[in-house]
Amino acid sequence: SQKIEQNSEALNIQEGKTATLTCNYTNYSPAYLQWYRQDPGRGPVFLLLIRENEKEKRKERLKVTFDTTLKQSLFHITASQPADSATYLCALVANNAGNMLTFGGGTRLMVKP
Amino acid sequence: GAVVSQHPSWVICKSGTSVKIECRSLDFQATTMFWYRQFPKQSLMLMATSNEGSKATYEQGVEKDKFLINHASLTLSTLTVTSAHPEDSSFYICSAPQGGQFSNQPQHFGDGTRLSIL
Repeated sequence: SQKIEQNSEALNIQEGKTATLTCNYTNYSPAYLQWYRQDPGRGPVFLLLIRENEKEKRKERLKVTFDTTLKQSLFHITASQPADSATYLCALVANNAGNMLTFGGGTRLMVKP
Repeated sequence: GAVVSQHPSWVICKSGTSVKIECRSLDFQATTMFWYRQFPKQSLMLMATSNEGSKATYEQGVEKDKFLINHASLTLSTLTVTSAHPEDSSFYICSAPQGGQFSNQPQHFGDGTRLSIL
């Protein structure tokens, strides 16, 4: 069966460190993968999109990698700040699925000052 | 930037009531919108795809007669939870991609509606 797995345990790190979140998938052939941030009681906010033929994408302090052989994406936040504390969701779009997103369970990040 | 507005943000009502949730794209036309449901500490589960001018496409296990979707214009989709019961209590979120269903663009999400059925 198709699965998108993110670490369900919260990730606690110290301010200034790099946070690394993992997204693994099985039985998918994603056209592209997206990362979203969700704060409590709010809708997700788009962060980064990476296509199947791209290895890495960067945006300010954010970096996403995409390894279709390992079926894994890593999401990095460098120089983390308490304001980065939130739940981060990865989402896949399969080939021929239009914009239909399938989400992982999300990982809660806590950045301590 | 593009914004999706969802209303109401919070509803508390008695069992048996029907509740309508609106999702509007404020500065772009959305031929397609998506409706999700999210339980506490869980991820978003796609319920249905709302298509302007045609019937919605429902995911497996979602009752179309229970969750009525209407996409009457290019900027508005509504989800009506009919005869709601306590098990329908959840966080409902809509989203819309700029450029349509096959645009391969990021999605813009509303801020969700917290539905509590007593």
